[in-house]
Amino acid sequence: EAQVTQNPRYLITVTGKKLTVTCSQNMNHEYMSWYRQDPGLGLRQIYYSMNVEVTDKGDVPEGYKVSRKEKRNFPLILESPSPNQTSLYFCASSHGQGNTEAFFGQGTRLTVV
Amino acid sequence: GQNIDQPTEMTATEGAIVQINCTYQTSGFNGLFWYQQHAGEAPTFLSYNVLDGLEEKGRFSSFLSRSKGYSYLLLKELQMKDSASYLCAVAGGSTLGRLYFGRGTQLTVWP
Repeated sequence: EAQVTQNPRYLITVTGKKLTVTCSQNMNHEYMSWYRQDPGLGLRQIYYSMNVEVTDKGDVPEGYKVSRKEKRNFPLILESPSPNQTSLYFCASSHGQGNTEAFFGQGTRLTVV
Repeated sequence: GQNIDQPTEMTATEGAIVQINCTYQTSGFNGLFWYQQHAGEAPTFLSYNVLDGLEEKGRFSSFLSRSKGYSYLLLKELQMKDSASYLCAVAGGSTLGRLYFGRGTQLTVWP
């Protein structure tokens, strides 16, 4: 089954404790991206990757890191989480350069206390 | 900068027709998407327009006017399960591959 898998689905952590949210897709998509979704603000892009070893900042990259060492995986790293990073996070992938249908993971609800 | 506007909320009754509008101003344009998102779930793809005109897919249709920076999503024969947030998103930016989302329109369908 074609899918984008994120883990974990839910996470509560403390300020400053490094964490990684994993994202994996099995559709051989070139383009992957991370979004955060906050009430009243919609989906905002954090980082995106157009292929292996090619990543770039989205609209809200501060406090986040990503890597794209393999085509299928695109982890999101929070080196020192802060409460303003409490949000619902979505990973997405699509074929080509991002102008095709995006497939979204199930979401990760992160709470930083 | 990128600017995508859509109404925050809309309501309609079962069986009715509703039109959700989206206006956009982006640097570069490589197509406009509509996604549906039920509460607590991931967005799912509804439609894609890159040329002017109407694309029909079952009960859902999407229209695009590039010269006006305008799109709408038309939902016919509304059902309770259509209650969801509808997201307008534009592919654009300097690489034409960035996806910019509006804040979503929360549609409530009443019986």
